[in-house]
Amino acid sequence: EVQLVQSGAEVKKSGESLKISCKVSGYSFTSYWIGWVRQMPGKGLEWMGIIYPDDSDTRYSPSFQGQVTISADKSIATAYLQWNSLKASDTAVYYCARPLNGDFARADYWGQGTLVTVSS
Amino acid sequence: QSALTQPASVSGSPGQSITISCTGTSSDVGSYNLVSWYQQHPGKAPKVMIYEVSNRPSGVSNRFSGSKSGNTASLTISGLKAEDEGDYYCSSYTSTTSLGVFGTGTKVTVL
Repeated sequence: EVQLVQSGAEVKKSGESLKISCKVSGYSFTSYWIGWVRQMPGKGLEWMGIIYPDDSDTRYSPSFQGQVTISADKSIATAYLQWNSLKASDTAVYYCARPLNGDFARADYWGQGTLVTVSS
Repeated sequence: QSALTQPASVSGSPGQSITISCTGTSSDVGSYNLVSWYQQHPGKAPKVMIYEVSNRPSGVSNRFSGSKSGNTASLTISGLKAEDEGDYYCSSYTSTTSLGVFGTGTKVTVL
């Protein structure tokens, strides 16, 4: 059974750093892209970027380029999303999701979401 | 990369059919048959209802169907049920970023 299990909710202050995780199981971690989706309170879904864990090829949506870092650790089948300096506008639920190779519009597997709350 | 355009809300009575549109450009919906539709209930992760424009994953009711014409994709829900209430998002591959892009989202209400 494919599972994506995310780290727990975080409460941080503006300017602090943060790294959240997504541990996968049930499939070969290095054979599929994995990415992050942001959902701000009451708003829609936004792809932030994706990474191919086998070679760490990473693609970012323009809105998120330079704002976050996506990484992966093959040895523990875990993907990460990292901020160096959080802003109040980073408050959102962040999902990890596995898009299909060859169809980045389709993500059949999702984590449960991580709520990040940033106070100013 | 701008989000694909969807109506903010659509409603219907039980048993009726509703259609949600998703308008993109020639860089995404218009050029690729890589359009998916997601259903999201409050506090839950999205779930794929349609992929590659008109295909249903195993386990998804055949009341859900998808189509595409030009730069606009559509999701039709027939025989509307209370359980169909929720938010629906389209998604397409886009050559602009070589990633997926979501639509703005549509809230479906069953009257």
